[in-house]
Amino acid sequence: NAGVMQNPRHLVRRRGQEARLRCSPMKGHSHVYWYRQLPEEGLKFMVYLQKENIIDESGMPKERFSAEFPKEGPSILRIQQVVRGDSAAYFCASSPRTSGRNEQFFGPGTRLTVL
Amino acid sequence: EDKVVQSPLSLVVHEGDTVTLNCSYEVTNFRSLLWYKQEKKAPTFLFMLTSSGIEKKSGRLSSILDKKELFSILNITATQTGDSAVYLCAVGNGSSNTGKLIFGQGTTLQVKP
Repeated sequence: NAGVMQNPRHLVRRRGQEARLRCSPMKGHSHVYWYRQLPEEGLKFMVYLQKENIIDESGMPKERFSAEFPKEGPSILRIQQVVRGDSAAYFCASSPRTSGRNEQFFGPGTRLTVL
Repeated sequence: EDKVVQSPLSLVVHEGDTVTLNCSYEVTNFRSLLWYKQEKKAPTFLFMLTSSGIEKKSGRLSSILDKKELFSILNITATQTGDSAVYLCAVGNGSSNTGKLIFGQGTTLQVKP
């Protein structure tokens, strides 16, 4: 049973470009969460999605950031017009529908570097 | 504002020592408390605690929750160099429209040979 998959593992972008981060949850999991970890800081919640629905986006910056979890395919976190302050590790987690949402399993993360 | 505070922020011990990591929290609508181990990759799930006073145990690691005093401890006995990592404490919000976890800043544990 494969774990949570994220790609790419490392992503380098220049200021103003777009970054797309992908997350495939564990098999049987229907809840997806995105977290951001800035250097020397803890993980911060960004957004919680179920298939085709954004349930809680209270941690998402108001501009340039968006997330989706389509009916088919992985969840996507999209950052438009990246700035240096977006450099961070972005982690995706998933949880099974029946076990409660708090038991979350994390992917390996995507490390975004903005030049 | 919900917050989770871990202490100490960093700790250096020698193999064979026993360590205790602390996590205190102030969270509205508490649902559960989770411990993760993070090496240079994904946080790895260790424990989820929902009830006070019930110790969870896995090998040399154990954890307990005190919901009255709003804290949890993670114990590691007979530490090994492979225990070196950042240990993260997170609290889950029980609101029906979110499953988000609120993380502490982590405790960095270094175990020396």
